[in-house]
Amino acid sequence: GESVGLHLPTLSVQEGDNSIINCAYSNSASDYFIWYKQESGKGPQFIIDIRSNMDKRQGQRVTVLLNKTVKHLSLQIAATQPGDSAVYFCAEIRNTGNQFYFGTGTSLTVIP
Amino acid sequence: GAVVSQHPSWVICKSGTSVKIECRSLDFQATTMFWYRQFPKQSLMLMATSNEGSKATYEQGVEKDKFLINHASLTLSTLTVTSAHPEDSSFYICSARDQGPQGAGNTIYFGEGSWLTVV
Repeated sequence: GESVGLHLPTLSVQEGDNSIINCAYSNSASDYFIWYKQESGKGPQFIIDIRSNMDKRQGQRVTVLLNKTVKHLSLQIAATQPGDSAVYFCAEIRNTGNQFYFGTGTSLTVIP
Repeated sequence: GAVVSQHPSWVICKSGTSVKIECRSLDFQATTMFWYRQFPKQSLMLMATSNEGSKATYEQGVEKDKFLINHASLTLSTLTVTSAHPEDSSFYICSARDQGPQGAGNTIYFGEGSWLTVV
């Protein structure tokens, strides 16, 4: 769950395809999860969130899946567009919001 | 929508000087704010959790005397990098927790970040 200074894994997809970005978290006490999108030189932007009492949540073109058994979170982006190219981070919140940690992140590149 | 403002966006300072970065929640009160640093192509690393009216909680390995955090009001937290050195050059990002009107929310909003270059 804690972010570490690792270089980001990358994912390249063709425009129009679906993208799946994965995230593993470490603490079973985490009760709230958020996906963020970060464009170069900017702060993270909220995409979608999910609470631990849910296993799926859908937004506009995005779906988040939560598997608490294996502590795994995924973000699915439908019909990926060039504007979706960015770094995507999952974040886990523990202890009623007083602890907030990012995952390693994935750099998504959409090929026109 | 809720906005978190961070200032300055970009600062260059001489080695040995101190620089202050401000993080403001513009339309909500934030009892909790977070400070991160981020190196190129890497994830955000949590430095400290700042709670209004109390001392910040620093992550392991973060020098509290070097990275001074003050959260004196419900809308402002500041990070001061003291005696800055070139290795402190980084992208610093704050976030603020919006608990909502009932105080039970957990929405986190981020500032746009501050680029610090120490020369």
